[in-house]
Amino acid sequence: DAKTTQPPSMDCAEGRAANLPCNHSTISGNEYVYWYRQIHSQGPQYIIHGLKNNETNEMASLIITEDRKSSTLILPHATLRDTAVYYCIVRGYNQGGKLIFGQGTELSVKP
Amino acid sequence: NAGVTQTPKFQVLKTGQSMTLQCAQDMNHNSMYWYRQDPGMGLRLIYYSASEGTTDKGEVPNGYNVSRLNKREFSLRLESAAPSQTSVYFCASSTPGTNHMNTEAFFGQGTRLTVV
Repeated sequence: DAKTTQPPSMDCAEGRAANLPCNHSTISGNEYVYWYRQIHSQGPQYIIHGLKNNETNEMASLIITEDRKSSTLILPHATLRDTAVYYCIVRGYNQGGKLIFGQGTELSVKP
Repeated sequence: NAGVTQTPKFQVLKTGQSMTLQCAQDMNHNSMYWYRQDPGMGLRLIYYSASEGTTDKGEVPNGYNVSRLNKREFSLRLESAAPSQTSVYFCASSTPGTNHMNTEAFFGQGTRLTVV
């Protein structure tokens, strides 16, 4: 599975968009990009995933570059409850689709 | 719909004691996982089970054993607990999606284990 690189921490003002970057330069053609978040030591929560097209759901948008070597998770209107650690994960389809977590980005949303 | 249920939520063990962490899911998922998370760190995969009857090692399997009892249940056993195994343990499950891809994983709320 490809490794990911994320900034260790970011700040965002409440109500503004939070843009969380992730580098995955060794991603292979059959690997998806997944995003999870973990709020205050709770179990991680799924946010979104994609292969090569941009994706949007009720929580966030995922923008994947054309070469698929990086992606950005966008929380369009961050709230205080979005303060969490955000994990970008590259996941293949074999071996049970195991999830390997990195260190993640600690996002602090400030009033 | 309970999702992924872990028991117990908290446990204190003495060094050398054994215990089994239980995990059950009610979503008919094929794949199940055990992770540990040390303070200030990300999650590390201990073992996973791609389907009933199969188990495989993850990143940090030493000191642990697992049993996929049936499709619903996946247990993690510490045969001889050590202080280095003090951690929060998370169980997760997921289901195959399109193109034979497992889609999102659902996590339990964790078991907080202290070994003294």
